[in-house]
Amino acid sequence: NAGVTQTPKFQVLKTGQSMTLQCAQDMNHNSMYWYRQDPGMGLRLIYYSASEGTTDKGEVPNGYNVSRLNKREFSLRLESAAPSQTSVYFCASSEWTNPHNEQFFGPGTRLTVL
Amino acid sequence: QKEVEQDPGPLSVPEGAIVSLNCTYSNSAFQYFMWYRQYSRKGPELLMYTYSSGNKEDGRFTAQVDKSSKYISLFIRDSQPSDSATYLCAMIQTGANNLFFGTGTRLTVIP
Repeated sequence: NAGVTQTPKFQVLKTGQSMTLQCAQDMNHNSMYWYRQDPGMGLRLIYYSASEGTTDKGEVPNGYNVSRLNKREFSLRLESAAPSQTSVYFCASSEWTNPHNEQFFGPGTRLTVL
Repeated sequence: QKEVEQDPGPLSVPEGAIVSLNCTYSNSAFQYFMWYRQYSRKGPELLMYTYSSGNKEDGRFTAQVDKSSKYISLFIRDSQPSDSATYLCAMIQTGANNLFFGTGTRLTVIP
């Protein structure tokens, strides 16, 4: 089992460019999440998908869109990248959004916006 | 004020020492408390999970929650170099979907 995989691992963008971060899980989990991690701010939830076909905003959704493509895959899109979106992005999944269910994290995507 | 406050460290201890990591929080509705460990350039992994107040022990690790003081702790006994990582506290309230994380404390255990 690969667990949660993310692509790409690293990316450099110029201001205004767009890109999509990909995430896939092979644990048959229903819920998936996108976080960003910044120095001094900790991990913050951008968007989540409680189950296939649903998506909801988290703490910091502005500037991002998401797509739950199927049960396995959850993508994060930056339509017009800004330097403030320079961060490390983590995808996670859990059986359900129930707090009892452990969230499993991917290895992260390091994004730099110039 | 942040929902969750955590001393970022860094914290450096000799091998075999007892380590104490702490977080404070402001939202009295938080009921579930977690500690995640994050190795450099990796994603976080769940280390300990506690519901409401009390203690929980797992091997060399003990998690404590004091809801009256809005304070949680993680103790590591007989610390090992392999414990060198960043430790993140996280918490969530019943019925919510949003985990709130601390900023993390970077720990180095020196052989």
